[in-house]
Amino acid sequence: NAGVTQTPKFRVLKTGQSMTLLCAQDMNHEYMYWYRQDPGMGLRLIHYSVGEGTTAKGEVPDGYNVSRLKKQNFLLGLESAAPSQTSVYFCASSTGTSGFSGANVLTFGAGSRLTVL
Amino acid sequence: GQNIDQPTEMTATEGAIVQINCTYQTSGFNGLFWYQQHAGEAPTFLSYNVLDGLEEKGRFSSFLSRSKGYSYLLLKELQMKDSASYLCAVMDSNYQLIWGAGTKLIIKP
Repeated sequence: NAGVTQTPKFRVLKTGQSMTLLCAQDMNHEYMYWYRQDPGMGLRLIHYSVGEGTTAKGEVPDGYNVSRLKKQNFLLGLESAAPSQTSVYFCASSTGTSGFSGANVLTFGAGSRLTVL
Repeated sequence: GQNIDQPTEMTATEGAIVQINCTYQTSGFNGLFWYQQHAGEAPTFLSYNVLDGLEEKGRFSSFLSRSKGYSYLLLKELQMKDSASYLCAVMDSNYQLIWGAGTKLIIKP
């Protein structure tokens, strides 16, 4: 079982360039999330999805777009990268949020380190 | 606003016991999670508390007091591999996770 796979692991962009981060999970999880992690701050939710074809904004959605065309994939796009988007991006998935029987536990990918110059 | 507080960094000795505290102020409460994150790696789930009291899982235990908005993670018989950041997260009334900035634990021989 691969779990949650993110590509690419590292990327350097120039200001104004666009790119897409890909997240794939093989656990048949309904919920998928994109977080960013910056030094001295907690993980911040960018966008999330509660099922195929659905997306919703998180805490810091500006400058990002997402798509969930297939249940196993969740794409994060940056249309015009800015230096403020330099960060480590984590994708995560979970079975759902109804109570706890493992349902609320997040499984994270290994992270994608993005630098915007 | 919603807030999770935990110490930035702690140091402990191999073989000893360390307690990492987490205090929270959130809109509602649907559980508290602890995750471990080694440098350069993904966070991994350690524990979950939704009722008051202590949950024990091997060398790791997690405690919750909902009335005090307080939790701690207790690590016993520390090993060098326990050097990592420990993230506290609370699920609020909207089932959104609010994350603390993490506590970096340094283990010395």
